[in-house]
Amino acid sequence: DSGVTQTPKHLITATGQRVTLRCSPRSGDLSVYWYQQSLDQGLQFLIQYYNGEERAKGNILERFSAQQFPDLHSELNLSSLELGDSALYFCASSPPEQGEQYFGPGTRLTVT
Amino acid sequence: AQKVTQAQTEISVVEKEDVTLDCVYETRDTTYYLFWYKQPPSGELVFLIRRNSFDEQNEISGRYSWNFQKSTSSFNFTITASQVVDSAVYFCALILTSGTYKYIFGTGTRLKVLA
Repeated sequence: DSGVTQTPKHLITATGQRVTLRCSPRSGDLSVYWYQQSLDQGLQFLIQYYNGEERAKGNILERFSAQQFPDLHSELNLSSLELGDSALYFCASSPPEQGEQYFGPGTRLTVT
Repeated sequence: AQKVTQAQTEISVVEKEDVTLDCVYETRDTTYYLFWYKQPPSGELVFLIRRNSFDEQNEISGRYSWNFQKSTSSFNFTITASQVVDSAVYFCALILTSGTYKYIFGTGTRLKVLA
């Protein structure tokens, strides 16, 4: 158990809908990262937050947004969902000034 | 061009053999990080190592070792005396930090360790 929690574990929704994925980092970790893993695109970095501020942005679509709240949990919002958004979404956290990342179990999103 | 190549799509070894997973990267940046991640059959992602571009020291952690060579733009990963539990997909990644951070992942190498 990495100490990073993600909810929900599975999500099935229809095209055009909006969903929110939630991530709680390990206690003391200030950074949260979001990644997407799909069969088509492989593993992709979406976005990183550090203590509430956006630190790095990757291949995140405009239909997607994220934020990190004062209690350091993070949410990834996916809207106008398309079939191609079906993927595993991982969250990771890391301690301040440390290189290691701790991953949550992932949320499997299926868009039908 | 910025790229990470993991040319070995799949490798099979017998338990206790040593195995090296190759990772070759391309970048003109002088400041960057290299990562290795493991994804076992259960699906979770596990961080293995981060190395910055200024630190070419090799790293050993138990049966795992990493060989970073800037001259050949490679960051190879060796498992000594492999075990069945090492069976997983291993990803190498390049993170560029000048300006906007950019993460570039390799396509992964599937390692099968046979008993």
